[in-house]
Amino acid sequence: KQEVTQIPAALSVPEGENLVLNCSFTDSAIYNLQWFRQDPGKGLTSLLLIQSSQREQTSGRLNASLDKSSGRSTLYIAASQPGDSATYLCAARSQTGANNLFFGTGTRLTVIP
Amino acid sequence: EADIYQTPRYLVIGTGKKITLECSQTMGHDKMYWYQQDPGMELHLIHYSYGVNSTEKGDLSSESTVSRIRTEHFPLTLESARPSHTSQYLCASSEFLSGAPKAFFGQGTRLTVV
Repeated sequence: KQEVTQIPAALSVPEGENLVLNCSFTDSAIYNLQWFRQDPGKGLTSLLLIQSSQREQTSGRLNASLDKSSGRSTLYIAASQPGDSATYLCAARSQTGANNLFFGTGTRLTVIP
Repeated sequence: EADIYQTPRYLVIGTGKKITLECSQTMGHDKMYWYQQDPGMELHLIHYSYGVNSTEKGDLSSESTVSRIRTEHFPLTLESARPSHTSQYLCASSEFLSGAPKAFFGQGTRLTVV
């Protein structure tokens, strides 16, 4: 069974800093990897999706990379803002079985003004 | 961006009551999912569906049941709610293996059973 791990579990940074969130997965047979943002008590908002054949995706200040062979993905946030404070989740879609999403436990980010 | 809706957003209900959490999507997605998430914890898949008349159990055992009579609708039912069912329930949908299937999530239903 796919296991997804996110490090660190929590991160606090001053406003304006660049930061990297890490995601690792045990089974490299993935269809794609998706990064989500979750605000407290809310649903998930999709940030970036990387297909298994891709190395990275960019959207604004966000850049996600994927190294399928090593089972790793990173989410880079440039020039962080207080509004970026949220929990960030990565999810790997398995190529096997029911092709379901497997989630990490998330990184809770706090950007201090 | 997402056209997937969950109702109610919040529900406080007494033990033993029957409840149905609604989830609808207007994107024509074949695959739909229900996840359960306790505060500060990871998402656990409890049910999913490949399409109409398809329902499957997820990784986490759940006393809830689901149905998929229409493509756009995937309700979750608890026949007799208990305090242990208190949690947030998140519904999601995606195309089934089309291109790079992207998952879309609803805003969630926060259920409290007293």
